[in-house]
Amino acid sequence: KQEVTQIPAALSVPEGENLVLNCSFTDSAIYNLQWFRQDPGKGLTSLLLIQSSQREQTSGRLNASLDKSSGRSTLYIAASQPGDSATYLCAPNNAGNMLTFGGGTRLMVKP
Amino acid sequence: KAGVTQTPRYLIKTRGQQVTLSCSPISGHRSVSWYQQTPGQGLQFLFEYFSETQRNKGNFPGRFSGRQFSNSRSEMNVSTLELGDSALYLCASSLSNNSPLHFGNGTRLTVT
Repeated sequence: KQEVTQIPAALSVPEGENLVLNCSFTDSAIYNLQWFRQDPGKGLTSLLLIQSSQREQTSGRLNASLDKSSGRSTLYIAASQPGDSATYLCAPNNAGNMLTFGGGTRLMVKP
Repeated sequence: KAGVTQTPRYLIKTRGQQVTLSCSPISGHRSVSWYQQTPGQGLQFLFEYFSETQRNKGNFPGRFSGRQFSNSRSEMNVSTLELGDSALYLCASSLSNNSPLHFGNGTRLTVT
């Protein structure tokens, strides 16, 4: 059974800092891994999807890496902004679209 | 392109009743999956449908069921509601196994 851990659980930083959010998972037989953000009371917004054969994926100020063999992924956020404040969730996909979610990292970026 | 649409947005039901939630996927997406989000358990997978067939099912009791129609729209049903079923129910659609999941804003169900 896949288990996902995200560290840290919460993070508060001043605007402009570069951040690293960590995700670890126990079952490395994954199709892909997705990172999402969730704003309070809303659904999830897809940020990045890394295929199992890829090492990293970039979109704007976001960069996600994947080390499948060690069961780790990181999300790097460059030059953080107050609008980045949200909960960030990672989710490996082991079968079909059956994602397993971590508990998330709650990020607060202060102006 | 319209996103994933879930209706209704909010629901209040009484213990013992049943409820049906609806999800319209992004046009062209044939995979629809459902998730339950609670403060205690976080996000948990309920089931996934692809071309009207249930492909995967999470670890939920049989009171939770779903279906998908030929136009890819999906419904989930919860019978004999319990207080613990109070949650945000999220629907997601995708083109395939290796495509991003796109989520709707969810239906918030409160059971009293």
